[in-house]
Amino acid sequence: KAGVTQTPRYLIKTRGQQVTLSCSPISGHRSVSWYQQTPGQGLQFLFEYFSETQRNKGNFPGRFSGRQFSNSRSEMNVSTLELGDSALYLCASSLPGEHGELFFGEGSRLTVL
Amino acid sequence: DQQVKQNSPSLSVQEGRISILNCDYTNSMFDYFLWYKKYPAEGPTFLISISSIKDKNEDGRFTVFLNKSAKHLSLHIVPSQPGDSAVYFCAASALGNEKLTFGTGTRLTIIP
Repeated sequence: KAGVTQTPRYLIKTRGQQVTLSCSPISGHRSVSWYQQTPGQGLQFLFEYFSETQRNKGNFPGRFSGRQFSNSRSEMNVSTLELGDSALYLCASSLPGEHGELFFGEGSRLTVL
Repeated sequence: DQQVKQNSPSLSVQEGRISILNCDYTNSMFDYFLWYKKYPAEGPTFLISISSIKDKNEDGRFTVFLNKSAKHLSLHIVPSQPGDSAVYFCAASALGNEKLTFGTGTRLTIIP
């Protein structure tokens, strides 16, 4: 069974640009979550989608947005990039009811110059 | 406000000895706790979990202990092996909420 796939793996942007990251969950998983990992901050929760609906949202500004498609694939978008947005963005999928047992992708490493 | 805290950024342990990683939390609504392990350039992988109705859960070399009154949990790895060298994240969730709150991680280095 294929794991969680994230694209692109690495990308470099400049301040003010926008970026879209993609996530394909494990087949059969309908819940997709996004996390931001920065040094010293651990993993910060961005949002969680289930059946195309956002169920939870973390404390990030409105520049961070996401969506989920009918095939459970998800995208997140960051507009007007800032230097502080440089981070590893991790996507995770899970089965309903699997209390917290998330399966993570390898992440998309974003560098903002 | 860091609701899940891992106060030791790093830990070094001799191979074969016990590794003990600690985690504290502040939110009394948390009822499920997990440990994830992360190697460089890979996503975190689930290691072991414990429900708040238990105080101990074992899986092979890994044991998690939960002290609800102290809002403290720990992960014991016995015996420690070189392949255990990784960053370990403690995480917690509340009933009915899929969101996980993670700690900042502890980098464990096993010395051969």
